[in-house]
Amino acid sequence: LAKTTQPISMDSYEGQEVNITCSHNNIATNDYITWYQQFPSQGPRFIIQGYKTKVTNEVASLFIPADRKSSTLSLPRVSLSDTAVYYCLVGEESYQLTFGKGTKLSVIP
Amino acid sequence: DTAVSQTPKYLVTQMGNDKSIKCEQNLGHDTMYWYKQDSKKFLKIMFSYNNKELIINETVPNRFSPKSPDKAHLNLHINSLELGDSAVYFCASSPRWPRINIQYFGAGTRLSVL
Repeated sequence: LAKTTQPISMDSYEGQEVNITCSHNNIATNDYITWYQQFPSQGPRFIIQGYKTKVTNEVASLFIPADRKSSTLSLPRVSLSDTAVYYCLVGEESYQLTFGKGTKLSVIP
Repeated sequence: DTAVSQTPKYLVTQMGNDKSIKCEQNLGHDTMYWYKQDSKKFLKIMFSYNNKELIINETVPNRFSPKSPDKAHLNLHINSLELGDSAVYFCASSPRWPRINIQYFGAGTRLSVL
């Protein structure tokens, strides 16, 4: 099970692009990378998942370099409502059950 | 319609009591989970059921007993509650074991043991 390392916290102003990087040096060939978002007093919510290169959806983009030892979640033009904890999970589909401490993103007006 | 619903949302009780938390999902998923999130915000898997069968049973005191009457329901019963059981408990579901892909979480049950 690949261990992940993320910054504990980040601050950003409204309207800026936010990039949160997750390190996973021991990622295995079959491992996927998945990001969840958790608002206070709510359960985590799936944001995006990828295996390599770039994935984009209506919420975020996920950039994965060729060596896959890290990944970057990119949130375009954040607003106050993006203030949350963001979790990076790495593992085979059946083992993505380990949530770390996550990154607490605070968006400032 | 709420996809994964848990009841109650808040639970305050005395040490030594027995309590249950209920979870239901209307997504047609085969797999359900219980997680515990402590005060330090670590989210830790406790149990998982696939089609009513227990498939994950992490190191959890045997005072905690999950029960799945059907694949849409996974309840958590806790005997002899202790102060350290105070936490937020989340239920989740995913389409099909072992292909988890995306987990859908409930809003959580905040348990306070006094």
